[in-house]
Amino acid sequence: ETGVTQTPRHLVMGMTNKKSLKCEQHLGHNAMYWYKQSAKKPLELMFVYNFKEQTENNSVPSRFSPECPNSSHLFLHLHTLQPEDSALYLCASSPDRTANYGYTFGSGTRLTVV
Amino acid sequence: AQSVTQPDIHITVSEGASLELRCNYSYGATPYLFWYVQSPGQGLQLLLKYFSGDTLVQGIKGFEAEFKRSQSSFNLRKPSVHWSDAAEYFCAARATSYDKVIFGPGTSLSVIP
Repeated sequence: ETGVTQTPRHLVMGMTNKKSLKCEQHLGHNAMYWYKQSAKKPLELMFVYNFKEQTENNSVPSRFSPECPNSSHLFLHLHTLQPEDSALYLCASSPDRTANYGYTFGSGTRLTVV
Repeated sequence: AQSVTQPDIHITVSEGASLELRCNYSYGATPYLFWYVQSPGQGLQLLLKYFSGDTLVQGIKGFEAEFKRSQSSFNLRKPSVHWSDAAEYFCAARATSYDKVIFGPGTSLSVIP
């Protein structure tokens, strides 16, 4: 399989649950990203990883915990979320941190917090 | 502050008609510029990008964009729209290779037969 794959596609979780989002890329890219896409708001960059090291955290609440075990896999661990965290969470990758050739995005995980 | 604006929230065009989606940026120097498309239920797909050189850039799916420094614009065009072009279109920019990419709010395109 090629491209960027995200699982699950849809997730409904209660505010006390713990769940994880998974992202996998088969492109040989070295940089990976988590974005949040909410209705009526521009895409928000959450985290950046370069060669599996976190290089950017855009003031994301600690209830979101990223993990990057290697350059091909990226996780977003979720716990005690709030209803306003409901959104489409997009994973992206790029050959390197400069992303001069743009990002390759996954199809996203639609998260609903109840 | 650096910003990307897309003045049109929603546009409706007839199939076969031409299309222009507007994008303006607020940066001190010429930024790196991108256009992405997002079909319903999907992630974003890169249509084209501009760094320097020829100000008319060709992309995938028959799209092109023109960079105009004097107007701080990077408008996306297509001469003949197909029903499958109905989607959300995002303009994006970054100041340098290592700056954060800023996305515009998006323009939703509807295509009527």
